Amino acid sequence: AQSVTQPDIHITVSEGASLELRCNYSYGATPYLFWYVQSPGQGLQLLLKYFSGDTLVQGIKGFEAEFKRSQSSFNLRKPSVHWSDAAEYFCAVGAGNSGYSTLTFGKGTMLLVSP
Amino acid sequence: DGGITQSPKYLFRKEGQNVTLSCEQNLNHDAMYWYRQDPGQGLRLIYYSQIVNDFQKGDIAEGYSVSREKKESFPLTVTSAQKNPTAFYLCASSAGTVNSPLHFGNGTRLTVT
Repeated sequence: AQSVTQPDIHITVSEGASLELRCNYSYGATPYLFWYVQSPGQGLQLLLKYFSGDTLVQGIKGFEAEFKRSQSSFNLRKPSVHWSDAAEYFCAVGAGNSGYSTLTFGKGTMLLVSP
Repeated sequence: DGGITQSPKYLFRKEGQNVTLSCEQNLNHDAMYWYRQDPGQGLRLIYYSQIVNDFQKGDIAEGYSVSREKKESFPLTVTSAQKNPTAFYLCASSAGTVNSPLHFGNGTRLTVT
């Protein structure tokens, strides 16, 4: 079965500084990887996804992520953080053999942005 | 606009009562999902349905039941058998294929006292 680890429960970044959120996955075949963001009391919004091809993927709100097969990682990055980026971020892996699948989520990383 | 509607936003029940959470989607998606979210636990899959009149248990199905009589609707019943029902419940839908992202509703916060 697949699994996802997000090593950092909380991260605090100064506004304007760069950001990297870590995600490690476990899956035997090529994974389908996603990053979602959740504001308090809301549902999750898709930031970006990786299926195949270019290992650096661009998403919404200026986020990007890089797939590194050798490290089983899919870290999320942003060059300059804005106060509105404060939220909880979830990495997820999708896998399935029959054409359908479910997503397995990490436990999330809460991003705090300091002025 | 297409999307997923969960209602109500907040729900309060007494212990021992069953309660049903509503989820409706107009995205024409085949697959629908229910997740439970607790602080520090991430999202855990309760049930999912890939097609009308069919559904499968997820990782934490005990104490929950679902139905999928219509493509657009996937209600979740939290029964009195669920030992710790207070949580934030999220409904999602997708095209159902392995590379399909999930689209989420805004959740229902259930409090049982």
